[in-house]
Amino acid sequence: GAGVSQSPSNKVTEKGKDVELRCDPISGHTALYWYRQSLGQGLEFLIYFQGNSAPDKSGLPSDRFSAERTGGSVSTLTIQRTQQEDSAVYLCASRPPRTGGNSPLHFGNGTRLTVT
Amino acid sequence: AQKITQTQPGMFVQEKEAVTLDCTYDTSDPSYGLFWYKQPSSGEMIFLIYQGSYDQQNATEGRYSLNFQKARKSANLVISASQLGDSAMYFCAMRDMNRDDKIIFGKGTRLHILP
Repeated sequence: GAGVSQSPSNKVTEKGKDVELRCDPISGHTALYWYRQSLGQGLEFLIYFQGNSAPDKSGLPSDRFSAERTGGSVSTLTIQRTQQEDSAVYLCASRPPRTGGNSPLHFGNGTRLTVT
Repeated sequence: AQKITQTQPGMFVQEKEAVTLDCTYDTSDPSYGLFWYKQPSSGEMIFLIYQGSYDQQNATEGRYSLNFQKARKSANLVISASQLGDSAMYFCAMRDMNRDDKIIFGKGTRLHILP
């Protein structure tokens, strides 16, 4: 079946512009996660959704970052007034309903954001 | 608060040798899960192995095994008979079952397998 789909795969934007990153999870997966990975670094947790609600937004770096999820499916991560330090790969992952602790995250291929 | 620590930024290992990648974690919850992922240069995230905090035995998946020492809060990944294709970044991750479904990752270890 189809995996997690992220678009665009690459985005180059000018400093100060707004960008929207999209994630389409695996059908039926109720949990959806956003992570940020700077070059050669680890995965920084941003936010996760259970259905349409976001129980934990603690990882969002600033109020320029926001995310929403509608219909328990597609999620959008929006970065307003982009800065050069926002340049990174943004990874989305989804997980099936809580049937057991061992269900792993399924990752998309990421969106590489470059702010010039 | 949850925390995952991977203390080895990079490792070089000769092909066919076994390698251990370190991971320590911190949580106050008794119920949690630990994951290892591999990220090759292509960037995809590949799930390798899972260990639950109540599992009595160490997890194994083919050449991968998890050395789980609960009292020490460590969950080291062991790769037996390493291959050139094992060269990649490896991430340890943790999920607290009793809280929300937040899953956090360590900073990773870059493994280089030498021919």
